[in-house]
Amino acid sequence: SQTIHQWPATLVQPVGSPLSLECTVEGTSNPNLYWYRQAAGRGLQLLFYSVGIGQISSEVPQNLSASRPQDRQFILSSKKLLLSDSGFYLCAGMAPNVLTFGAGSRLTVL
Amino acid sequence: AQSVAQPEDQVNVAEGNPLTVKCTYSVSGNPYLFWYVQYPNRGLQFLLKYITGDNLVKGSYGFEAEFNKSQTSFHLKKPSALVSDSALYFCAVRGPGQNFVFGPGTRLSVLP
Repeated sequence: SQTIHQWPATLVQPVGSPLSLECTVEGTSNPNLYWYRQAAGRGLQLLFYSVGIGQISSEVPQNLSASRPQDRQFILSSKKLLLSDSGFYLCAGMAPNVLTFGAGSRLTVL
Repeated sequence: AQSVAQPEDQVNVAEGNPLTVKCTYSVSGNPYLFWYVQYPNRGLQFLLKYITGDNLVKGSYGFEAEFNKSQTSFHLKKPSALVSDSALYFCAVRGPGQNFVFGPGTRLSVLP
């Protein structure tokens, strides 16, 4: 079965600093991978998805970017964080017909 | 385009009573429907799915959901609620593509 690992679990960063959140997948090969953001414990906003190495689709224009350097690695980055980037970031992977989520990374931008 | 509605922002139910969390959807083609649960500061956990077959789907922790094609609904149910069921519940639909669309979530509070 598929397992999604995310780190760091918690991050506090100043405005204007860079960001790197990492996600790795265990148990499947070449999965579709997703980054979601959840604000204020509510709905999920799809940020990026990837169907393979180097293939990234962006759903929402913003100052975030994503990369997939390896089959089972998906990274969310920013060069300069904004206050509005605060939130709970979730990585997910597609197992057959089911989306499996990591435990999440809580980002607070001060 | 796919969409999911969860008309209730909050559902309160007494422990031991049956619970229902509502979901309606819109999708072209045959829907793949899902329910997920989220506990505070955790990722989403898969509860159950409907892809094809029986309209009543049984899932984890005693939850079940009924697919109703004519009403485009997929309501989550449990015969007897537990305090530990208190959490945020998300309905999701996957249409012809690979992406999931999630509803806004319904917060369930089970009162002792």
